[in-house]
Amino acid sequence: QKEVEQDPGPLSVPEGAIVSLNCTYSNSAFQYFMWYRQYSRKGPELLMYTYSSGNKEDGRFTAQVDKSSKYISLFIRDSQPSDSATYLCAMNTGFQKLVFGTGTRLLVSP
Amino acid sequence: GAGVSQSPSNKVTEKGKDVELRCDPISGHTALYWYRQRLGQGLEFLIYFQGNSAPDKSGLPSDRFSAERTGESVSTLTIQRTQQEDSAVYLCASSSRTGGLHQETQYFGPGTRLLVL
Repeated sequence: QKEVEQDPGPLSVPEGAIVSLNCTYSNSAFQYFMWYRQYSRKGPELLMYTYSSGNKEDGRFTAQVDKSSKYISLFIRDSQPSDSATYLCAMNTGFQKLVFGTGTRLLVSP
Repeated sequence: GAGVSQSPSNKVTEKGKDVELRCDPISGHTALYWYRQRLGQGLEFLIYFQGNSAPDKSGLPSDRFSAERTGESVSTLTIQRTQQEDSAVYLCASSSRTGGLHQETQYFGPGTRLLVL
């Protein structure tokens, strides 16, 4: 079993939809949770970063962490075609290496 | 632009040949990471440098893989006697501190796409 599970998609939505992306994990020592966005043939770029449980909002993006369920989510409101990319969840204990999910490919159609 | 840079962008090699991949981190970043991304999969950690030392090499898949870092700057990942299963995108990231008890953002380069024929 992988430490971090993420549905690879693709997830197709119309422009303006609310998108929900999720990951589950097995290591209860994880404390730092991140969402990266990766466009085709580019490196991942950090979107959201959350420490421990709770919510964090940044513009159209909201990250949620539920440590009791070992479940994290990224919500995108008013999705745009420019949001079409692969979204990777990542997490660690605070010490160096990140453990990534497989990534979910999101397609937002105009 | 002072981001992480990697070279070459693409590399095609024959099975059994050695390859060297280069990473230039953001200036002043003491921590450097190598990850591998196989097609349709997430990033796999390979090795972590703090300064010029590598306290965590746990992700290197075999002794054919090695990495070094000099001058707390450039790092080179070397794959000897390449195999077809080594085909992947090799990504480098840097951050400003070790991480310690405080997470530091890892900034990624564009990656090197390696194809072993």
